[in-house]
Amino acid sequence: ILNVEQSPQSLHVQEGDSTNFTCSFPSSNFYALHWYRWETAKSPEALFVMTLNGDEKKKGRISATLNTKEGYSYLYIKGSQPEDSATYLCALGAYNQGGKLIFGQGTELSVKP
Amino acid sequence: SQTIHQWPATLVQPVGSPLSLECTVEGTSNPNLYWYRQAAGRGLQLLFYSVGIGQISSEVPQNLSASRPQDRQFILSSKKLLLSDSGFYLCAGRMTTDTQYFGPGTRLTVL
Repeated sequence: ILNVEQSPQSLHVQEGDSTNFTCSFPSSNFYALHWYRWETAKSPEALFVMTLNGDEKKKGRISATLNTKEGYSYLYIKGSQPEDSATYLCALGAYNQGGKLIFGQGTELSVKP
Repeated sequence: SQTIHQWPATLVQPVGSPLSLECTVEGTSNPNLYWYRQAAGRGLQLLFYSVGIGQISSEVPQNLSASRPQDRQFILSSKKLLLSDSGFYLCAGRMTTDTQYFGPGTRLTVL
């Protein structure tokens, strides 16, 4: 059974702080790693899909890195804003299994003005 | 662009009653479809996925079932709800890329 772990479980920061979260996953048979942002009362929104070791993706103030050999991905937010408050989910893509995703528990970020 | 529709948005049901949640997809054909549940204080758990009409894969043994009677319709059902079925249910679709797109979700409370 594939297990995806995220840390920390929750994070409270001040506006303007930069922050980062970790997603850990089994490094064997890696296929793809996804990051989603889930705001309260909305649907999860895709941020990044990464497939190659060393991949770095960026979207505005949010960026992510991937290390498939050691089985982790980092998500960084530079200069956090209150609108960044959400739960950030990472998910491991399972190859040849209907495209299913194995999600971590998520990191709940709260940014105070 | 593709859109995932789900209804109802919220549902309160007594223990032992049946359940039917519907998910429909707009803007694409032959998508892979998924049902997830988020129980209180937990992450997203995959319940079922479907790669085509009538094709259902179940991920965890439980009190629920799924059906895909049409290409763009995915239904989650139960004959008799348990208290433990309470949670937030999300339908998702995967089109041509690996990214999954989610519907607005249904908040189910079983009393």
